[in-house]
Amino acid sequence: GEDVEQSLFLSVREGDSSVINCTYTDSSSTYLYWYKQEPGAGLQLLTYIFSNMDMKQDQRLTVLLNKKDKHLSLRIADTQTGDSAIYFCAEISGYSTLTFGKGTMLLVSP
Amino acid sequence: SAVISQKPSRDICQRGTSLTIQCQVDSQVTMMFWYRQQPGQSLTLIATANQGSEATYESGFVIDKFPISRPNLTFSTLTVSNMSPEDSSIYLCSVKGGSDGYTFGSGTRLTVV
Repeated sequence: GEDVEQSLFLSVREGDSSVINCTYTDSSSTYLYWYKQEPGAGLQLLTYIFSNMDMKQDQRLTVLLNKKDKHLSLRIADTQTGDSAIYFCAEISGYSTLTFGKGTMLLVSP
Repeated sequence: SAVISQKPSRDICQRGTSLTIQCQVDSQVTMMFWYRQQPGQSLTLIATANQGSEATYESGFVIDKFPISRPNLTFSTLTVSNMSPEDSSIYLCSVKGGSDGYTFGSGTRLTVV
């Protein structure tokens, strides 16, 4: 089946930028998503990008997509302690269902 | 985007019992999805629930263990039957909301003792 891979852990200092990376295998992916999960909570959709785009910016969030390398990244500018959470990359193609990565735990220290 | 109300938010259950989780959506949606998130793991799709037909289960999940109801276009339930400690997980429902994003409920944290 299709696969989505993420690094498991990232630690940054408050005010720095965070970059969370994701790779996927499905060349027919149409949408790619970033979700945030805070401790004990459900998933919050942060942003998504359509596969014919290579960049999307939304306030502090920048998504970069390299479709050739099947690489997706999420950059969080001016990272705050409230950004500490698990971030999931997910992709979907056609009429299939979402495929999630295992999540990247972001720890922001003061 | 759609807003989902999921309950209960958490429960501690005895092994051998069953728990029914409810999801209410504030708009009509064709498909609702049920996921399981085991401790420290990613999300695994259990089944897709369509109104008026039986749910479609993913490999490794069966209707006898996870019966699903979908009585109308805004509501669904997932029952975890004959629970064992291995069923301790977070269970989440999801719908395809506006702008091509998938919205999730806040999750039900189940602990089986």
